[in-house]
This record gives sequence, C-alpha cells and structure tokens, in this order.
Amino acid sequence: AQTVTQSQPEMSVQEAETVTLSCTYDTSESDYYLFWYKQPPSRQMILVIRQEAYKQQNATENRFSVNFQKAAKSFSLKISDSQLGDAAMYFCAYRNYGGSQGNLIFGKGTKLSVKP
Amino acid sequence: NAGVMQNPRHLVRRRGQEARLRCSPMKGHSHVYWYRQLPEEGLKFMVYLQKENIIDESGMPKERFSAEFPKEGPSILRIQQVVRGDSAAYFCASSPLRTGGNEAFFGQGTRLTVV
Repeated sequence: AQTVTQSQPEMSVQEAETVTLSCTYDTSESDYYLFWYKQPPSRQMILVIRQEAYKQQNATENRFSVNFQKAAKSFSLKISDSQLGDAAMYFCAYRNYGGSQGNLIFGKGTKLSVKP
Repeated sequence: NAGVMQNPRHLVRRRGQEARLRCSPMKGHSHVYWYRQLPEEGLKFMVYLQKENIIDESGMPKERFSAEFPKEGPSILRIQQVVRGDSAAYFCASSPLRTGGNEAFFGQGTRLTVV
C-alpha cells in the first residue's frame, strides 16, 4: 500500500523569505501523480501544484516549485517570497496513474506560519 | 460555474442521532468522492461513487456509515447512531472523469461535532 509522510508538523517563515516543506512517499508503482494542497482556515482544499512522475522536469507555479526526486521518493515544496496569505496547512498527496481522479492518499500535513 | 457545494458547513448531533451530509458536485461531474479529516490528520478516503453506483468503498467503516449518489440530487453521506469519534470534517470532491491527469475538486467540507 502507498503511504505519504510529512515529517514537519509545523514550519515558520519570515515574510518575503523562502521555505521548503518536505514530503516522502512509498510506492511500488512507476507511474503516479503527486500533489501539494493548501488548506487555509476556511478549510477549502486548494490545489497548489501537481507533478507527473514520468516527467523529469520539476513543476512550477509562480512562487511555488517542487523538487521531485523519484529515486529517493521525495517531493518537497518550495515557496519563494512568502506572503502572509501563504499561512495554511499544506498537504502532500499521491495518486496512482491509473487510479480514479479523486482517490488520493494524503500526508498528515505541515502547518505553515508566516511572520510579518 | 459553481464549485463543489457541501451542506451544511457545520452540523451538531447528539450521540445516537443520525447525521446526513450533502454534496452537490460541480456541473458536468459525475464522479464523487468522500473523505474524512480527523483533528490533526490528513484527509482519508472513504468512498467513491458514480451516479447510482458505489465504485469503491474500501475506506468506509463497516457499520453505521453509508453513501449514495442518486440519479437526481446530491450525494449523501449518512452516519447512523453517531458517536464522539465521528466528530471530524467530511469533505466531498468531484471529477468529470474516472481517470486521467486532472485533479478532483474539493468542497469546503462539513464539520460534524458529536456532543
């Protein structure tokens, strides 16, 4: 069975600085998707970034980028120029390539605080 | 185009009562997924439904929990005889297809509190 581990329950960053959130996963599959979701206090789950395992290039979305290390089964999220609105819970998630679109395996999350 | 709509946002039930949580998927989406988020935890998959069919219920507790997605109307997650341990946030997600690279879209969740 696949698992997702986020080893940092809480992280803190100064506004305008850069922070990296860690995620490791375990799978025997070669093709899969990895995601980072943001959950602000409103509880809405917001997709931040997605990575297809067959793509070697790391995904980027504006200030958000990932460091995908397939051999190490590591998928970290880097937030550059942190803003107060980035404060939230961040969840790493995994989905099998042929799996249903909504059947995701989530980590326990990292609570990110942004200091002004 | 409205997103995934869940109601109520907050639900309080006494132990032994029934809880009904509703989810209206995005327009054009026929696949619905339910998740539970316990305090300080990530979301855990419960069940996957298509219209009138349960496709995967591998994450559903064996007793007291049921889900449906009728031909007309929202998907319903029903919890009978609630206990304190059922207190959690319940999320619904929907997608237009079963597989593929696109992600499912999540609702804002229903926070169930059992007193």
